Amino acid sequence: DVVLTQTPVSLLISLGGQASISCRSSQSLVHSNGNTYLHWYLQKPGQSPQLLIYQVSNRFSGIPDRFSGSGSGTDFTLKISRVEPEDLGVYYCLQRTHNPLTFGSGTKLEIK
Amino acid sequence: EVQLVESGGGLVQPGRSLKLSCAASGFTFSNYGMHWIRQAPTKGLEWVASISPSGGSTYYRDSVKGRFTISRDNAKSTLYLQMDSLRSEDTATYYCATDIKQPFAYWGQGTLVTVSS
Repeated sequence: DVVLTQTPVSLLISLGGQASISCRSSQSLVHSNGNTYLHWYLQKPGQSPQLLIYQVSNRFSGIPDRFSGSGSGTDFTLKISRVEPEDLGVYYCLQRTHNPLTFGSGTKLEIK
Repeated sequence: EVQLVESGGGLVQPGRSLKLSCAASGFTFSNYGMHWIRQAPTKGLEWVASISPSGGSTYYRDSVKGRFTISRDNAKSTLYLQMDSLRSEDTATYYCATDIKQPFAYWGQGTLVTVSS
């Protein structure tokens, strides 16, 4: 199975600051069709996960441009700029290039 | 508005069975693949099973193969997960999710399954 390693495990960021989360894969996430199926989710406290970014860098509808995704191959990053109180929670990366699909272990964002 | 509402969770003894349901509304259910994803208490997310729009294709993680069965009733817009031979490690909140527009774009609120004697 593909292992997604997220770092750091937790982040403490001041309001208005920037957060960066890494997701590294044990193998390339480039599908045979040329697409890369690496997505990012946020699970706010007490809530279900919500989609933020799909296919590396595309923001889902309603997601502010403070959230951005980048990367290729095995190395991916989620950046959150101008952190706001509602950004707190656990961030997960997910790969759907290979079966079985797998999630990263999560990164907890806390606000100072 | 897309809505997914899970039900059927509860406390069950090891080795027993439980059937979860996910009632869908706000979209054409028969057009989309559906999924079950679980989260053990204080742990991360784990994909469990998926089913194609017609129900003709199903996929499972290895640890539940032969014990869990995913199915759907497109006439009732409902997704199911039959869980047999339950183990303590199956204890988790089970979410249903769908791929409308994008992957796992919509999730239910989850239903808690506790396997314990």
